[in-house]
Amino acid sequence: EAQVTQNPRYLITVTGKKLTVTCSQNMNHEYMSWYRQDPGLGLRQIYYSMNVEVTDKGDVPEGYKVSRKEKRNFPLILESPSPNQTSLYFCASSLLDRVLSGANVLTFGAGSRLTVL
Amino acid sequence: KQEVTQIPAALSVPEGENLVLNCSFTDSAIYNLQWFRQDPGKGLTSLLLIQSSQREQTSGRLNASLDKSSGRSTLYIAASQPGDSATYLCAVKSSKLSFGAGTTVTVRA
Repeated sequence: EAQVTQNPRYLITVTGKKLTVTCSQNMNHEYMSWYRQDPGLGLRQIYYSMNVEVTDKGDVPEGYKVSRKEKRNFPLILESPSPNQTSLYFCASSLLDRVLSGANVLTFGAGSRLTVL
Repeated sequence: KQEVTQIPAALSVPEGENLVLNCSFTDSAIYNLQWFRQDPGKGLTSLLLIQSSQREQTSGRLNASLDKSSGRSTLYIAASQPGDSATYLCAVKSSKLSFGAGTTVTVRA
C-alpha cells in the first residue's frame, strides 16, 4: 500500500531532550515536507526537500533540523525541544513534477502528536 | 503573503441537512484551491481540487465552487451523514501552499 509512515505517533518529552520524528514513504517521491498544525492556525510548513541532499526552510524552521540522505526518509530533528514546539506534526510527499506544475497531490502521513513539558 | 480564512471554526448539524463550508483568501493570484478532510489520528485526505481556470468541481455529494476574483470558495456537502463528521481544510496554491485553520463539522444522528 502506498503510504507515508511517521513514528512515533504520540510522544511526551521534556524540554531540552533531543528527539527525532521519522518519516518514510514507499512511493519513490522526490518531494517531501514537514508541517506543524496548531489550534486556530492552518498547517505551516517547517522544512521541505526536493530530492536527496536538497532541503530548504519553510515558514517556521526555527528549532528544527532535517536531513535527506535517502529518497524514502525525511526525519525531523528537534535538537533542544521547547514547550512552544508542542504540536501535531505531519509529513507529506509527492512527485516533484506534480509540485512544480502546481498540482497539489500530496500524500500525508497520519500525524505525530508531540508534547514538550 | 497569502492568508486563508475558514469560517465558521465549528459547525453542528442534524443528519440530512446540507453543509456549507466557507474559505476565503487574500491574494487572488492562485494556481488552484483544494479541499481536504482530516480525521483524528489519520492524515489529510484530498477531496476536491479546483484549478484557477475552473468555477467548480463535483464528486458525489460534494461540490466545491471557486470565485477567484472575490477570493472565495465554498464546499457544499449534500444530505449530510454522521460519517461526514470531520475537520475540513481549505488550501490555496499560490507561490506556496497555504492552509486555512479548518472547520470542524459534527453531524448529529
